[in-house]
Amino acid sequence: NAGVTQTPKFQVLKTGQSMTLQCAQDMNHNSMYWYRQDPGMGLRLIYYSASEGTTDKGEVPNGYNVSRLNKREFSLRLESAAPSQTSVYFCASSPGLAGAGDTQYFGPGTRLTVL
Amino acid sequence: GENVEQHPSTLSVQEGDSAVIKCTYSDSASNYFPWYKQELGKRPQLIIDIRSNVGEKKDQRIAVTLNKTAKHFSLHITETQPEDSAVYFCAASPQPSFGNEKLTFGTGTRLTIIP
Repeated sequence: NAGVTQTPKFQVLKTGQSMTLQCAQDMNHNSMYWYRQDPGMGLRLIYYSASEGTTDKGEVPNGYNVSRLNKREFSLRLESAAPSQTSVYFCASSPGLAGAGDTQYFGPGTRLTVL
Repeated sequence: GENVEQHPSTLSVQEGDSAVIKCTYSDSASNYFPWYKQELGKRPQLIIDIRSNVGEKKDQRIAVTLNKTAKHFSLHITETQPEDSAVYFCAASPQPSFGNEKLTFGTGTRLTIIP
């Protein structure tokens, strides 16, 4: 099992460019998440998908869109990149079972720089 | 929404001594409290978690305590070793609406073990 994979690992964009970050999991998990990590800010939820076919906004959704392509894949799109979106982006997944407590497994991250 | 505060932001401990990291949360509906460890340049990984029906949980040198009345929980690492050096994040999650867990993370504690 590869677990959670993300592509690319690194990316440099110019202001106004667009790009899509890809995430896939092979653990048959129902729920998937996108976080951004900035120094001193911890991990902040951008969007999540409780199950295939559903997506919801997290804490910091502005400037992003997501697509839950199928059960395995969850992509994050920046339509018009801004320097404030310079960050490390982590995808995560969890079994998504009803009830309390659901371990999230993280991907290796994508380091994005917007000039 | 949930707000999680984590202290201290940095902590230096002599090898072999104990380390304690504390978190407080605001939403009394929260009932799942995981701790993640993130080594430099790596992804966050779950090290221990606790649910609201338990006051303490221990796994070898790591323990977590929960005080629901005071809305705070703590991570205790005993007999610290150099490989414990990392950033530690606490998180809290309320009752799920779809069976998934929306985690709210603290801002992290950088733990340094001094040989």
